[in-house]
Amino acid sequence: SQKIEQNSEALNIQEGKTATLTCNYTNYSPAYLQWYRQDPGRGPVFLLLIRENEKEKRKERLKVTFDTTLKQSLFHITASQPADSATYLCALDPFGQLTFGSGTQLTVLP
Amino acid sequence: GAGVSQSPSNKVTEKGKDVELRCDPISGHTALYWYRQSLGQGLEFLIYFQGNSAPDKSGLPSDRFSAERTGGSVSTLTIQRTQQEDSAVYLCASSWTQNEQFFGPGTRLTVL
Repeated sequence: SQKIEQNSEALNIQEGKTATLTCNYTNYSPAYLQWYRQDPGRGPVFLLLIRENEKEKRKERLKVTFDTTLKQSLFHITASQPADSATYLCALDPFGQLTFGSGTQLTVLP
Repeated sequence: GAGVSQSPSNKVTEKGKDVELRCDPISGHTALYWYRQSLGQGLEFLIYFQGNSAPDKSGLPSDRFSAERTGGSVSTLTIQRTQQEDSAVYLCASSWTQNEQFFGPGTRLTVL
């Protein structure tokens, strides 16, 4: 069966460091992968989309990589800030509807 | 520019009652999605509407769940004979294509 795994339920890092979150998937061949941010009590907010033919995509302090051989995406936040603390979700689109991972809760400590 | 809105924001009901949850998508978005999120869990896909096509109902957990989308815009998710395990946040999202989805704030359903 199809499966999406995000590396850990929770990740704590010190302010200013780079946070790296992992998304692994099995039994998919997605055309693209998305990353969302979710704050408590709110719906997810879209951050980045990367297509299967793209190795890397950047947006301000965010960087996403997509390795279709390893079936893995890495999500990096450089120069992290306490305001980056949230749950980050990866999502794949195998059949026209997104399937989400369970998320990684990131806490950036001041 | 209004985003996706959902109502009610909170709903408390008794086991066995029916509930209706409403979603107003962003105007012009052709795709509309319903998800369920239990406490501390990821999003569980429920149903997907795309234009005038038949909806993808593959995620509905039981026949107590149904959804409609009228006029290609507003959608209603109905849960009949609610059970305690139906307690969750129900999220609606809309999109222009199959790419970026815009989520509403969700409806928190509590079944007593």
